[in-house]
Amino acid sequence: GAGVSQTPSNKVTEKGKYVELRCDPISGHTALYWYRQSLGQGPEFLIYFQGTGAADDSGLPNDRFFAVRPEGSVSTLKIQRTERGDSAVYLCASSLGASSTDTQYFGPGTRLTVL
Amino acid sequence: SQQGEEDPQALSIQEGENATMNCSYKTSINNLQWYRQNSGRGLVHLILIRSNEREKHSGRLRVTLDTSKKSSSLLITASRAADTASYFCATDYGGYQKVTFGTGTKLQVIP
Repeated sequence: GAGVSQTPSNKVTEKGKYVELRCDPISGHTALYWYRQSLGQGPEFLIYFQGTGAADDSGLPNDRFFAVRPEGSVSTLKIQRTERGDSAVYLCASSLGASSTDTQYFGPGTRLTVL
Repeated sequence: SQQGEEDPQALSIQEGENATMNCSYKTSINNLQWYRQNSGRGLVHLILIRSNEREKHSGRLRVTLDTSKKSSSLLITASRAADTASYFCATDYGGYQKVTFGTGTKLQVIP
């Protein structure tokens, strides 16, 4: 079946602009996660959804970052007033449930470049 | 912030040799997982070991966990060129999957 998909695969924007990154999880997966990965580093947790609600948003770096999952499926990560330091690969993952033993399946990521 | 640190940062071996990489973490954990990341298949879950387990096998992979030393090792036996990738350990310490990834080991397997 289809895996996790993310669009766009690449996004180049100018400092100060607003961007939206989309994640389509595996059908039926109730848990969805966003991570950010900088060059040479491991993924860094941003936010986790269980259904439609954000169960843990402690990894969002500041209030310029916001994520939604209005119908419990597709999620959008929104970044306002982008800064050059926001440049990274943004990864989305989904899992069947939110148990710590449920495997997370990752999408290919969106590479964001802020000029 | 990164919870774990992998060692070595980079490893280069010949095809057929074994590869061992280590992960150290800072706080008590619930589970530890290993992931592989390459440009072709992205980030893929390999194996999970629970905090009350000491060793686990999956195919050519062997993972050990020493909670007293807060460390884990991943052994890949009879390596193949297709094993070339970055390997990350990831820990969780709650009831759900807010995992914290390490910094990764970049493995190169030379054919």
